Amino acid sequence: NAGVTQTPKFQVLKTGQSMTLQCAQDMNHEYMSWYRQDPGMGLRLIHYSVGAGITDQGEVPNGYNVSRSTTEDFPLRLLSAAPSQTSVYFCASRKLNTEAFFGQGTRLTVV
Amino acid sequence: RKEVEQDPGPFNVPEGATVAFNCTYSNSASQSFFWYRQDCRKEPKLLMSVYSSGNEDGRFTAQLNRASQYISLLIRDSKLSDSATYLCVVMFSGSARQLTFGSGTQLTVLP
Repeated sequence: NAGVTQTPKFQVLKTGQSMTLQCAQDMNHEYMSWYRQDPGMGLRLIHYSVGAGITDQGEVPNGYNVSRSTTEDFPLRLLSAAPSQTSVYFCASRKLNTEAFFGQGTRLTVV
Repeated sequence: RKEVEQDPGPFNVPEGATVAFNCTYSNSASQSFFWYRQDCRKEPKLLMSVYSSGNEDGRFTAQLNRASQYISLLIRDSKLSDSATYLCVVMFSGSARQLTFGSGTQLTVLP
């Protein structure tokens, strides 16, 4: 029962570095998304995908790229890390009209 | 104005108490509603969906008032293990069926 698997769990980056957060789901869900969670601000949508080959921007997309080459995987790329990207990142997947299932989260610190 | 608003709390209640949380949403074209629970430093997990007629799951009761655009969560006979942050989630209509999260209400149940 893997569900949504997110890696890494923790990461420290220097300003300007790039990295990729991995997300994989084994539930054959069409819809995958990335959120960031900051204190007092709730979960904010970064990017989402409604199926392989289809991605779109959410509320806070700047500084992030995504791709969806398969149904299972939805990686999030930070192009040039900035301290403002220090946050907790969650990947989620779902069927289109149902509840979301979340990965365990990645705690990212940019110094 | 945020699309989904919750009282952030914190709510500190004794064991056995009944506590209620409210959540308001701004978009009348909303399709589905959920309550999630998030433990400290963990991923959000579905607590219950909210149906138009109201629904109950053990000690938890959720209600929806579409006319006034709010949903509520009632917890009876609070347990120490109920201590968590409760997130109100609204799925808005539209091709992407976006999920929008409230900032969460923090509950601490005291012995």
